Amino acid sequence: GNSVTQMEGPVTLSEEAFLTINCTYTATGYPSLFWYVQYPGEGLQLLLKATKADDKGSNKGFEATYRKETTSFHLEKGSVQVSDSAVYFCALRSYSGGGADGLTFGKGTHLIIQP
Amino acid sequence: DADVTQTPRNRITKTGKRIMLECSQTKGHDRMYWYRQDPGLGLQLIYYSFDVKDINKGEISDGYSVSRQAQAKFSLSLESAIPNQTALYFCATSETTSGASQYFGPGTRLLVL
Repeated sequence: GNSVTQMEGPVTLSEEAFLTINCTYTATGYPSLFWYVQYPGEGLQLLLKATKADDKGSNKGFEATYRKETTSFHLEKGSVQVSDSAVYFCALRSYSGGGADGLTFGKGTHLIIQP
Repeated sequence: DADVTQTPRNRITKTGKRIMLECSQTKGHDRMYWYRQDPGLGLQLIYYSFDVKDINKGEISDGYSVSRQAQAKFSLSLESAIPNQTALYFCATSETTSGASQYFGPGTRLLVL
């Protein structure tokens, strides 16, 4: 079946630091990959996505590249801000293999940015 | 106005009670989903619907039922609530296109005593 593994948190960084949150996946077929962000007390917002190998998703300074050879989709940002503090979820969506049509999520990584 | 709305936003109920959580969307999407979120576990799929006549179980459907009243409305029911159904519940929608993103509502926080 499908699964997503992302680094455990919390991850605590200083403002302007470089961010990497690792995400690896197992899936049948050719999944689409997503990063969602959840701010305190809110729902999930789509941050970025990639639908095929070597695609790079980007938004608000965040980037992630779909690496089929390493089954990874690591999230990066060059200079984080306090407002980036949130929980980040890596997810995949794959129709192949007869599985359910829904997103398979990682457990989430809580990011804390200190001024 | 929000594209995906959920009511209520917070609910406290007692063991054995029947409750319904409602979701409405204005995005015009055919596909709708219900997830639950537990601390440290990410989100898990409860039910999903391709259209009004097509409803499917997700990975954790036991103890839940759903109703797709219209393209825009998808309700989740707990027939007899139990404490381990205490969680944050999210509704989501998506287009039919392969690889399409899902759009989430703000969530309903449910506490079963």
